[in-house]
Amino acid sequence: SAVISQKPSRDICQRGTSLTIQCQVDSQVTMMFWYRQQPGQSLTLIATANQGSEATYESGFVIDKFPISRPNLTFSTLTVSNMSPEDSSIYLCSVEDSEGLPQHFGDGTRLSIL
Amino acid sequence: KQEVTQIPAALSVPEGENLVLNCSFTDSAIYNLQWFRQDPGKGLTSLLLIQSSQREQTSGRLNASLDKSSGRSTLYIAASQPGDSATYLCAPLGGSNYKLTFGKGTLLTVNP
Repeated sequence: SAVISQKPSRDICQRGTSLTIQCQVDSQVTMMFWYRQQPGQSLTLIATANQGSEATYESGFVIDKFPISRPNLTFSTLTVSNMSPEDSSIYLCSVEDSEGLPQHFGDGTRLSIL
Repeated sequence: KQEVTQIPAALSVPEGENLVLNCSFTDSAIYNLQWFRQDPGKGLTSLLLIQSSQREQTSGRLNASLDKSSGRSTLYIAASQPGDSATYLCAPLGGSNYKLTFGKGTLLTVNP
């Protein structure tokens, strides 16, 4: 199965700043996903990022707040823009090797906003 | 909209017990269902995937069953060990929107 590396693993940021999270996969994958896990909650899908097309955002998430890049089949970034304390969460990327196969997750980025 | 409920929310057992974790979902039009474990401060580890056409899957001491028509899945853990302590999440993959929907999980503690 794919091995996923996320950077940074954690960060503490100031209100109003932006942070870009990187997700690197050791193999080419078609579908990459970004999730948010707020404290004490389960995972919520932010968007699906497919190479060569615009990311598809879920209800409640917008591109201006969470711009995503997917320049190739092994890499994606998620930016959390103009951060506020409500953005304090764990952000995780996941990939699917092939349709119908398990999704695999990175270790996540633990983000705290002061 | 798919909704996923996991029962119990938390479970504490002595080592060696056999366990049952329950997951129910409202939309039976699913592609497959995955069970994950999440250790504190970590990402998710995929445990088992059951295709919609399957009834169960086994991996070592883990066995997951799926009753798609009734919207239920069960994860059995045999002979539990302290290393099994984690949060267990189930997530059906939507058949129409191809999206994983997660439950809030079951926090399992296995005491030595």
